Amino acid sequence: QKEVEQNSGPLSVPEGAIASLNCTYSDRVSQSFFWYRQYSGKSPELIMSIYSNGDKEDGRFTAQLNKASQYVSLLIRDSQPSDSATYLCAVNLRVNSARQLTFGSGTQLTVLP
Amino acid sequence: GAGVSQSPSNKVTEKGKDVELRCDPISGHTALYWYRQRLGQGLEFLIYFQGNSAPDKSGLPSDRFSAERTGESVSTLTIQRTQQEDSAVYLCASSSKGQLTEQYFGPGTRLTVT
Repeated sequence: QKEVEQNSGPLSVPEGAIASLNCTYSDRVSQSFFWYRQYSGKSPELIMSIYSNGDKEDGRFTAQLNKASQYVSLLIRDSQPSDSATYLCAVNLRVNSARQLTFGSGTQLTVLP
Repeated sequence: GAGVSQSPSNKVTEKGKDVELRCDPISGHTALYWYRQRLGQGLEFLIYFQGNSAPDKSGLPSDRFSAERTGESVSTLTIQRTQQEDSAVYLCASSSKGQLTEQYFGPGTRLTVT
């Protein structure tokens, strides 16, 4: 099992719909969780961070965290073609006795006009 | 304020040559990270610096790879005797307080080994 697992996609949604991106992780005591957006040929850009169970909203983005289920998700409301990118989930995991931010392999999202 | 900067943006080198990549973190950020991203792949952790502590080198793939950082400023990643499998984008990130906080990425250096 991968330590941070994401559905690689591609995920296609029509413009204006809600895009739902999911991520599971292996470490029960992880404390910090991040979503990054990466456009093709560009570096990752931080879009959301979440540290506590529940929902965190920022504009059209909502991050949802359920530590008991080891699950974090990102919802994008009113999806736009400009949201088309790869979305990376990152989780602070214990690796070799130290905590390390570990990235999933990403979900490719396409928003169709 | 200024973000993370990296240089060069592109580097083409011949197999067997040494290369040096540079990263300038966000001012005031104590933590600095290097990652590698091969084409179409995820991010691969290489090394982590936190203040004056000993770096976490656990991700360096071989002894051809090394990195230095002076205090809380610039870092250089050196790859000796480059191989074709070293071709990738090398990304640097910095954060204000270490592994629990948000990391901000630079634009990356695209390395091509011919």
